[in-house]
Amino acid sequence: AQTVTQSQPEMSVQEAETVTLSCTYDTSENNYYLFWYKQPPSRQMILVIRQEAYKQQNATENRFSVNFQKAAKSFSLKISDSQLGDTAMYFCAFGAGGTSYGKLTFGQGTILTVHP
Amino acid sequence: DGGITQSPKYLFRKEGQNVTLSCEQNLNHDAMYWYRQDPGQGLRLIYYSQIVNDFQKGDIAEGYSVSREKKESFPLTVTSAQKNPTAFYLCASSRRKGPNSPLHFGNGTRLTVT
Repeated sequence: AQTVTQSQPEMSVQEAETVTLSCTYDTSENNYYLFWYKQPPSRQMILVIRQEAYKQQNATENRFSVNFQKAAKSFSLKISDSQLGDTAMYFCAFGAGGTSYGKLTFGQGTILTVHP
Repeated sequence: DGGITQSPKYLFRKEGQNVTLSCEQNLNHDAMYWYRQDPGQGLRLIYYSQIVNDFQKGDIAEGYSVSREKKESFPLTVTSAQKNPTAFYLCASSRRKGPNSPLHFGNGTRLTVT
């Protein structure tokens, strides 16, 4: 079974600064995907970024980037130029490949507050 | 616009009553999922279905039941056997497999049982 751990229950950052959210996972799978989802106060889950484990290059999406360390089983999210709209709970999630694709294992979440 | 509709947004029930949460999608996705969210915990998978008329238990299926009679619909019934039913429930859908089809989530239903 997979486990996902987010060790930071809460984080805060000033607007325009950079913040990094941590995530570690444990698995014996070789083919898998990692995700960061954002849940703002509206509680709508929004995909932020996705990383395929077989890709060595770290994924980036505009101001969001990841540091994927496969050997260390670490998958951190960096948010650059933080904006007030980034305030949300962030979940790291693990998904095995193949037909198990949509069955995600989520971490406990990190509440991020961006201050003006 | 394509998406997932969950209804109602808030639901209140008395202990001992069964209650059904609705989930409809018009994304033409084959697979649908139910997740439960509790404070301080991540989402946990209740049931999932990868094709019509077939579904599988997730990690916390006890006390829940589902049906998948149509591709667009995946209702979740919270039975009286579920010991702690008060929670936020999220429905999601995706293509059956492939990295280009991540989960799409509905807006959730907050269930309160007293």
